[in-house]
Order: sequence, then structure tokens, then C-alpha cells
Amino acid sequence: RKEVEQDPGPFNVPEGATVAFNCTYSNSASQSFFWYRQDCRKEPKLLMSVYSSGNEDGRFTAQLNRASQYISLLIRDSKLSDSATYLCVVRGNDYKLSFGAGTTVTVRA
Amino acid sequence: NAGVTQTPKFQVLKTGQSMTLQCAQDMNHNSMYWYRQDPGMGLRLIYYSASEGTTDKGEVPNGYNVSRLNKREFSLRLESAAPSQTSVYFCASSDGKSPVAFFGQGTRLTVV
Repeated sequence: RKEVEQDPGPFNVPEGATVAFNCTYSNSASQSFFWYRQDCRKEPKLLMSVYSSGNEDGRFTAQLNRASQYISLLIRDSKLSDSATYLCVVRGNDYKLSFGAGTTVTVRA
Repeated sequence: NAGVTQTPKFQVLKTGQSMTLQCAQDMNHNSMYWYRQDPGMGLRLIYYSASEGTTDKGEVPNGYNVSRLNKREFSLRLESAAPSQTSVYFCASSDGKSPVAFFGQGTRLTVV
């Protein structure tokens, strides 16, 4: 079983829509959680960290459910510029960062 | 501020050739990583170095070796390249206090 699993999508949504997707992780000892964004043929970049209480950054909301071992990302009022692949990242206490395969989001005009 | 610098950006190798991918970071980070990314597979960890002087295998270490030369530099070596090693390679670094990772721009490697 992969350490981090994501729905690959693609999620194809109109501008202004809300899109949400999840990620599950297998290691219950995982300590830190993140969402990264990757544009085509570019390096991944941090979108936001995910905290136990849930957190927002503008139109983006991340949630963590430790009991069920999943993380979610919700994007409100989607913009064309939100089109990208979103990577779920989990860090264990051994400093190892494990990535999901990514969820592709395409926002259409 | 350069961040994480990888060289080369592109490389074509013949099967059996060797090469070293270089990575350097100027953020004084303790941890460094090498990943490969293939279509539909996401990023897979090859090797990582939690701190200077230590290296550990990741998910797909076979066919690779690494050297943590000093705190700044972490190199990845392919001793005898194979077509299955055609991929995009990313180096990353992070600080133990703030585990956010910063990535280099990637090396696109083709083995023919």
C-alpha cells in the first residue's frame, strides 16, 4: 500500500465553482501535513500546511482528520490560475517526506 | 536568494553511462532529498539525508548512490544508466524546525 494516496482526478470545473478532494495516508505516526501545488513541468511549491484544527488561506481550506487518516483541500471560487496538480505531502518523525501522486484540477472559463 | 540549485537541467545518456546530478542549497537546511517523478506516479523518494553525514534509502534507491558532501550539497549518482531511469529528478531541502520543503527546478534525464 502506498504511504499517501490521492484521487488523481482530473477535476474539471467552471470558474467560480468549488472543488474539493482528499488524500489518505497510511502511517498513523505521521507528524506534519502539507498541500503542494505543481504546474506543468515545474517544481512543486508549498501551497499550505495543514493543521489539526483545520486552516484557511484565502480561497483554500485544508482539513486534517487524524482518526481516519485523511487530509482534504477545498478551493472556493475557482480561478483559471488554480489549474494545476495538487500534491498531498506527509512527513514522518524520520524527516522523510512522502508525496501522493497528485490530483489534477482544470478550471475552465 | 538562489534557494535550491540543481545541475544539469537536461541530460541525455546512453545506456550504461554514468553521471552525477548536483544539488546545492543556500538556506542552511539540515535535510535534503532526491525524488524522481514519472507520469502517473507522483514523486517517489530515492534517497534522503536527514542531516549532514547521514543518508538513508527511500522508496526507489536501486541503481542510485548519493553523497552528502557537506551541509549545502547532496549529489545523486547513476553508475550505469538504464532506460528505466528516464525521469524528472528533483532535489529538495528542508529545515528540521520548519519541515516545509523547497525544490530545485528539476533535471530532465533521458536514457537511450
